[in-house]
Amino acid sequence: GAGVSQSPSNKVTEKGKDVELRCDPISGHTALYWYRQSLGQGLEFLIYFQGNSAPDKSGLPSDRFSAERTGGSVSTLTIQRTQQEDSAVYLCASSLAEKAFFGQGTRLTVV
Amino acid sequence: KQEVTQIPAALSVPEGENLVLNCSFTDSAIYNLQWFRQDPGKGLTSLLLIQSSQREQTSGRLNASLDKSSGRSTLYIAASQPGDSATYLCAVDYNTDKLIFGTGTRLQVFP
Repeated sequence: GAGVSQSPSNKVTEKGKDVELRCDPISGHTALYWYRQSLGQGLEFLIYFQGNSAPDKSGLPSDRFSAERTGGSVSTLTIQRTQQEDSAVYLCASSLAEKAFFGQGTRLTVV
Repeated sequence: KQEVTQIPAALSVPEGENLVLNCSFTDSAIYNLQWFRQDPGKGLTSLLLIQSSQREQTSGRLNASLDKSSGRSTLYIAASQPGDSATYLCAVDYNTDKLIFGTGTRLQVFP
């Protein structure tokens, strides 16, 4: 597609359930990022993938969070045993050079 | 600690005004700086990217300047329009795996 695509756009889940968020980056972009934006907060870095290198997971807030990127393209962010504090907009971005292109995000609500 | 601050947090102006949004960063050893626009419920759109060696970048009615020595960048919007209403974010790249974002300036331009 022409841009970064994220699905679902909205997700409501019960506390304790697992969720998977998907990101389809722009074709050919080697770098992929996940960020989290909580209400009234700035964007918080979660994880970064670059080509075949080991991902930078330094921003993941707990071991309930994990992400993978298959074939250097699609990425999935998984949150296990969701908590209410996980409610936020999860944004994915991809880049080839320095300019980052963001998807529209997945709004996650944990009830 | 590398921090990015944006002031004001919110701004409301009548249509036609020229305005300045401010971004400051604590570590001046930046690689580049980007200004983004975020509309409600949407992802981020990159507006301007300034390399560390540059002083300014222009796109239409937007002009972004960079003063590394003072740790500041400004986004100048000329002849503001209601369609400019959005949240404006600056993000600093230290040539690491992530962008460090400010908390944004929420701009409202009223007719």
